[in-house]
Amino acid sequence: ETGVTQTPRHLVMGMTNKKSLKCEQHLGHNAMYWYKQSAKKPLELMFVYSLEERVENNSVPSRFSPECPNSSHLFLHLHTLQPEDSALYLCASSQEGLAVDGELFFGEGSRLTVL
Amino acid sequence: QQQVKQSPQSLIVQKGGISIINCAYENTAFDYFPWYQQFPGKGPALLIAIRPDVSEKKEGRFTISFNKSAKQFSLHIMDSQPGDSATYFCAASMIQAGTALIFGKGTTLSVSS
Repeated sequence: ETGVTQTPRHLVMGMTNKKSLKCEQHLGHNAMYWYKQSAKKPLELMFVYSLEERVENNSVPSRFSPECPNSSHLFLHLHTLQPEDSALYLCASSQEGLAVDGELFFGEGSRLTVL
Repeated sequence: QQQVKQSPQSLIVQKGGISIINCAYENTAFDYFPWYQQFPGKGPALLIAIRPDVSEKKEGRFTISFNKSAKQFSLHIMDSQPGDSATYFCAASMIQAGTALIFGKGTTLSVSS
């Protein structure tokens, strides 16, 4: 496995379900990110972890709960989501966090549909 | 002030033509301006980036032009090819302040053969 891997690639869930998205990076990077991509909107930064510590949380509703157990893994726990949360959720990593003068490496995303 | 405004939303170019995508920003503290390319079913990938101390950067067929006084930057794709068909995102960040990238809404480019 190389790069940034996200699972599952597709997820359909009801509003009362609890599910999790998983991200794993094999690049030895120190920072990991969750972005939300909706049609005709900018990529929205949700969470940033640097050296396993959350350094940014962009006013994301509490129904989204991130977890970073180590520098290679990042989870997004989903609970009682709304239909408007349907989107592509992208995980990314970078060598350093936030002071990004380098490259963000994105996974292929998890397509979430909330019914 | 934190927005990056990107245009056009979509673009159709003939094979061999020049594709031009524009971005504008308000915050003069931005000091890093990358462009990302995203193919369907894939995540975005860094294409080219520029710092405000230069007015132009070229990598192969891709050129960023940067106009600091106008607070605008653009991506030019020369000799556009069908394989360039993708969504392009401009972005900006403040390296000194340690802020994350702020992305534009994206431009969907279709290069017809």
